[in-house]
Amino acid sequence: EIVLTQSPGTLSLSPGERATLSCRASQSVGNNYLVWYQQKPGQAPRLLIYGASSRATGIPDRFSGSGSGTDFTLTISRLEPEDFAVYFCQQYGTSSHTFGQGTKLEIK
Amino acid sequence: QVQLMESGGGVVQPEGSLKLSCTASGFSFSSYGMHWVRQAPGKGLEWVAIIWYDASNKYYADSVKGRFTISRDNSKNTLYLQMNSLRVEDTAIYYCARDLWVGDTRMFDYWGQGILVTVSS
Repeated sequence: EIVLTQSPGTLSLSPGERATLSCRASQSVGNNYLVWYQQKPGQAPRLLIYGASSRATGIPDRFSGSGSGTDFTLTISRLEPEDFAVYFCQQYGTSSHTFGQGTKLEIK
Repeated sequence: QVQLMESGGGVVQPEGSLKLSCTASGFSFSSYGMHWVRQAPGKGLEWVAIIWYDASNKYYADSVKGRFTISRDNSKNTLYLQMNSLRVEDTAIYYCARDLWVGDTRMFDYWGQGILVTVSS
């Protein structure tokens, strides 16, 4: 089973700043099978990025995904107040689908 | 619009059973695989199980294998999770989510609002 490790655990930034979130896999993940979700308190996760770098419908272009192999990154170019939330990466396996432990993006 | 609505949660004693339902609307339910994902209080997401669109294949996380059973009734647009031999560590919010293929990539594109299951004596 592939283990995903996200860093940092918590990221404190101010609106307008750039956020860089990391997701590292214990073994290589096919580019097409790395997904990012955003979750706000009391809400279900929301799909942001699929296939490592494709934005889901309705996701602003300040969100971008990159990476390959074992190292993936979610970048938020200019933070808006509504972007402060928890972000999870996820990989699709053959018969199991693991999540990272999450990065909490908080207002500094 | 796509909607997923979980039901059936509650409080159950250790070693007890509970059956969750997820009612789908706004899309052709019988054309999509479906997942259950859970989240312990204050913790991260844990994938639980998947069932293919036609129920021909089912896969489970090791943590629930042999205790949980995923099923579906396409005539009722409903997904189920039968949970037996429940443990305290199964306490979580349980989400159902739709499995979407786009080209050769996959994702959970729609999620229900979640239902709380508490295992406690």
